[in-house]
Amino acid sequence: AQTVTQSQPEMSVQEAETVTLSCTYDTSESNYYLFWYKQPPSRQMILVIRQEAYKQQNATENRFSVNFQKAAKSFSLKISDSQLGDTAMYFCAFLDPNFGNEKLTFGTGTRLTIIP
Amino acid sequence: EAGVVQSPRYKIIEKKQPVAFWCNPISGHNTLYWYLQNLGQGPELLIRYENEEAVDDSQLPKDRFSAERLKGVDSTLKIQPAELGDSAVYLCASSFGTGPYEQYFGPGTRLTVT
Repeated sequence: AQTVTQSQPEMSVQEAETVTLSCTYDTSESNYYLFWYKQPPSRQMILVIRQEAYKQQNATENRFSVNFQKAAKSFSLKISDSQLGDTAMYFCAFLDPNFGNEKLTFGTGTRLTIIP
Repeated sequence: EAGVVQSPRYKIIEKKQPVAFWCNPISGHNTLYWYLQNLGQGPELLIRYENEEAVDDSQLPKDRFSAERLKGVDSTLKIQPAELGDSAVYLCASSFGTGPYEQYFGPGTRLTVT
């Protein structure tokens, strides 16, 4: 079974700074997908960024980028020029697309606070 | 485009009482998921539907939990009887298909069992 570990329960940074959230995972599969989801306070969870394991290029979405290290099974999220609206819980998630296993496995989350 | 709708948003019940949660997915999304999110944890899948068929219910405690998705659109998750340990947020999500499609989440139902 796959596992996802987020070792930083809480983080805080000043507005406009850059912050990196860590995530490691364990799998024996070679083809899989990784995600970062954001859950703002009292609001629904939304997808931030997605990475396909067969792609070597790191995914980017505006101020959000990932550092995907397949051999190390590491998938960190970098948020540049952080904004107050980035305050949220961030969950790293793994998906095995093989038939019968298509479900997201989430980590325990990192609570990120952006300080004005 | 309307998002995933869930009701009620909050529910407080006494233990041993029944409770039901309702979910309306995004129009055109064939896949529907129910997740359990305990405080301070990530969501855990309870059941996944492809249209009206439950294709993965391995994590659903079938002695007290049941779910249905009649006509492959709306879905209801029921707990009977509720236990103190069922206090959590119940999330519904939907996606266009199975696999690496983006899952769109609803706001969740926060259940408190007293």
